Amino acid sequence: QQPVQSPQAVILREGEDAVINCSSSKALYSVHWYRQKHGEAPVFLMILLKGGEQKGHDKISASFNEKKQQSSLYLTASQLSYSGTYFCGTANFGNEKLTFGTGTRLTIIP
Amino acid sequence: KAGVTQTPRYLIKTRGQQVTLSCSPISGHRSVSWYQQTPGQGLQFLFEYFSETQRNKGNFPGRFSGRQFSNSRSEMNVSTLELGDSALYLCASSPGQDFIGNTIYFGEGSWLTVV
Repeated sequence: QQPVQSPQAVILREGEDAVINCSSSKALYSVHWYRQKHGEAPVFLMILLKGGEQKGHDKISASFNEKKQQSSLYLTASQLSYSGTYFCGTANFGNEKLTFGTGTRLTIIP
Repeated sequence: KAGVTQTPRYLIKTRGQQVTLSCSPISGHRSVSWYQQTPGQGLQFLFEYFSETQRNKGNFPGRFSGRQFSNSRSEMNVSTLELGDSALYLCASSPGQDFIGNTIYFGEGSWLTVV
């Protein structure tokens, strides 16, 4: 079951904050966040596990709401280097596949 | 430590042909997965392997197949290529036995164009 990401695209000025959401229709076991720049491989940002364990990346934080079956990625004081497409990947209970959303394109302008 | 290596990086094939893509995971990683990436579709899961065993398979036709060798290297094969198979094929490896609870490291991908 592919997770739903929102927004699909966002443009921010340098220094502004961004929130990217990821929702699943089924109970979540884990949520993964990756950033991909054009022509490059997706790069790991954050993994959130049921039970609260979080393995992450500095300057970027995320929440995992088990009840709402969703996760949000928070980018504070955005920098030009934050531009790219952000993907969330979800794993649901009973389904050991990691399924990715269609991505959120973030553009940071000076 | 070398990252995930995929070969070839770019290739052009004709409809009806077949193609084999190769992936070498990070040293010590025994889990490998494959994804197809197309504009607007995000990353579509193809296969997942651990210790030469296919653990999971995505919703792709039988033309798509894969395997993993004893040294953890993996290959995927697409037979009877169609125009819609044009995509970036990404390989990823994980240090654990699965991907759902571990960090995934992606390769740079193989760009396949079918003409």
